[in-house]
Amino acid sequence: EAGVAQSPRYKIIEKRQSVAFWCNPISGHATLYWYQQILGQGPKLLIQFQNNGVVDDSQLPKDRFSAERLKGVDSTLKIQPAKLEDSAVYLCASSLTGNYGYTFGSGTRLTVV
Amino acid sequence: GQQLNQSPQSMFIQEGEDVSMNCTSSSIFNTWLWYKQDPGEGPVLLIALYKAGELTSNGRLTAQFGITRKDSFLNISASIPSDVGIYFCAGQLSGGSNYKLTFGKGTLLTVNP
Repeated sequence: EAGVAQSPRYKIIEKRQSVAFWCNPISGHATLYWYQQILGQGPKLLIQFQNNGVVDDSQLPKDRFSAERLKGVDSTLKIQPAKLEDSAVYLCASSLTGNYGYTFGSGTRLTVV
Repeated sequence: GQQLNQSPQSMFIQEGEDVSMNCTSSSIFNTWLWYKQDPGEGPVLLIALYKAGELTSNGRLTAQFGITRKDSFLNISASIPSDVGIYFCAGQLSGGSNYKLTFGKGTLLTVNP
């Protein structure tokens, strides 16, 4: 089965610019997650979708981050405007049912300069 | 919020040696998971534990879910060079449709051939 696809793999932007990341989950997986992984840390959940509804976005900095999952399949995570501290790897993951572990994508490495 | 303390932070061992790492939490989890992350990739699930006291093996890997539900350990026997990577513990306290994972900071394993 195809894995979780993410693009782009790398992105370098200047602070105050905007950026968007795309994720295509494994076919049939209803649950989709975006995690942020800062260098030297474990991943931290930003938002969880169940189909196209938001289940948990309590750790999403909503003043600058937004995410959507139209039609319950692909998802987009946007940052506007970016700050230096947003430099991190943004991981997308999906699962059939969340309590049996996820499948993660390879991530998008964002560098804000 | 919940925090996981993972130790050791890093290990440097000789090929063939056994490895042990552990994770403790200030609060309980229903599920403990262990992931491995290679450079430039997303975490890959190694072992999932669902019951307090459970001991589960996956090849040379063995993991246990602590009786108190606040800790877990992972053992790797007879290490080989491809075991190199960062190992993360993750706890899940699933409620309803919220499947958030809380990750430790990781253990960096280096295996000297």
